[in-house]
Parts: sequence; C-alpha cells; structure tokens
Amino acid sequence: DGGITQSPKYLFRKEGQNVTLSCEQNLNHDAMYWYRQDPGQGLRLIYYSQIVNDFQKGDIAEGYSVSREKKESFPLTVTSAQKNPTAFYLCASSMTGDNEQFFGPGTRLTVL
Amino acid sequence: AQKITQTQPGMFVQEKEAVTLDCTYDTSDPSYGLFWYKQPSSGEMIFLIYQGSYDQQNATEGRYSLNFQKARKSANLVISASQLGDSAMYFCAMREVPSGNTPLVFGKGTRLSVIA
Repeated sequence: DGGITQSPKYLFRKEGQNVTLSCEQNLNHDAMYWYRQDPGQGLRLIYYSQIVNDFQKGDIAEGYSVSREKKESFPLTVTSAQKNPTAFYLCASSMTGDNEQFFGPGTRLTVL
Repeated sequence: AQKITQTQPGMFVQEKEAVTLDCTYDTSDPSYGLFWYKQPSSGEMIFLIYQGSYDQQNATEGRYSLNFQKARKSANLVISASQLGDSAMYFCAMREVPSGNTPLVFGKGTRLSVIA
C-alpha cells in the first residue's frame, strides 16, 4: 500500500541532544513538508521541499534542519538550538497538480 | 500573508443532527484553495474536502459539505447526520496556489464532540 511512514511514533530524548525524525513516502510525490503541532494548536510549517536537493524554511525553522537527498525521504533533525522541542511532528507530501496533501501518522517527541 | 481563523474552540452536537464548523480566511491572492482536515485522537490528519476559489459550486463529499461564501471570506464545514465517530479535532486550511506543491496554512482547530 502506498503511503507515508514516520518513525518512531514516540521518541524521548534528553535536553541538549540532537534527534532525527524519519519520513518516507512511496507515493512518488514531488513535494514533502514538515509541520509541528503543539497541544490545542494548529499545524505550523517548519520546512518544505518541492524537489530533490532543494528545500525552503517555513515559519518556525529555527533550531531545525532537513535534507532531501532522495525523492522518497525527508528527514528532520531537531537540534539542541530548538528551545522547546517537545511537540507532535507531522510529515506530509503532495503531487504537482493535485489538491490534497497527504499526512503521515506523526511522531510525538518528548524532551526530558 | 494568509490567515485562517476558527472561532469555535469546541462544539457539541447530538448524534444524527447536523453541525456547522466556522472558518474565515484572509488572503490577497485571487487564486487559492481551501481545505478541511479531521484529526482523531490518534493524531493522523484525514483529508475531508476541498474548495477552489474559482469553483462555482460548493464542494460536497458524502456527509461533508463546504459552505463557501467568497465575498465574506468564509468556508464553513457542514457535517450532516453526525455520528459518534465524528468526534475529533477539525482544521480549516488554505494555500495560495489551489493545486500544487505549496504548504498549507492552518487554523487552530475546533474540537467536535458528538453526544449519543
């Protein structure tokens, strides 16, 4: 079945450690996105990539980094510079010409 | 800049009744797309319905319909015949390019609770 996978579902890290969240899609979608969701809030854009080897900052990119070396993969690194990293992280993808943006199941990151 | 406003933090509806979730938007672009997503407690985002700014008719998908009033910049979601499984967070979203690879801007959401 085609879709988006995010791993792990739950992630715990100590303060000051970098952590990388995985996002893989087998939908052959051109674009991929990372959003952050805090309790009781909507989704906010961290980074997005429209093609391989290119990406753009979103509204809250500080303290995060991404790479897009392959079309199907868009990992997100939460660095120690991110002041409040505990949140729910959602990855999404879309195809050129399509309306819908498809979402993965999300990763809940807790920094202790 | 685009902005989405959902003024209802929480709503209650009786099972089998209809409910309207409000959404207003702000954009200076003449061409845009409007979306509604459902987020159950599991956290996944489920696409419900889409409306393009140039679409003449209101979008419908099964029990979901979008009441699009362009002049008022509103895109309310109507759920008919509510079911217990409709209890979830609902997010309105938009993007400047109606279709294509640009990010969505989301509202803060409305939590819908369906009562038996």
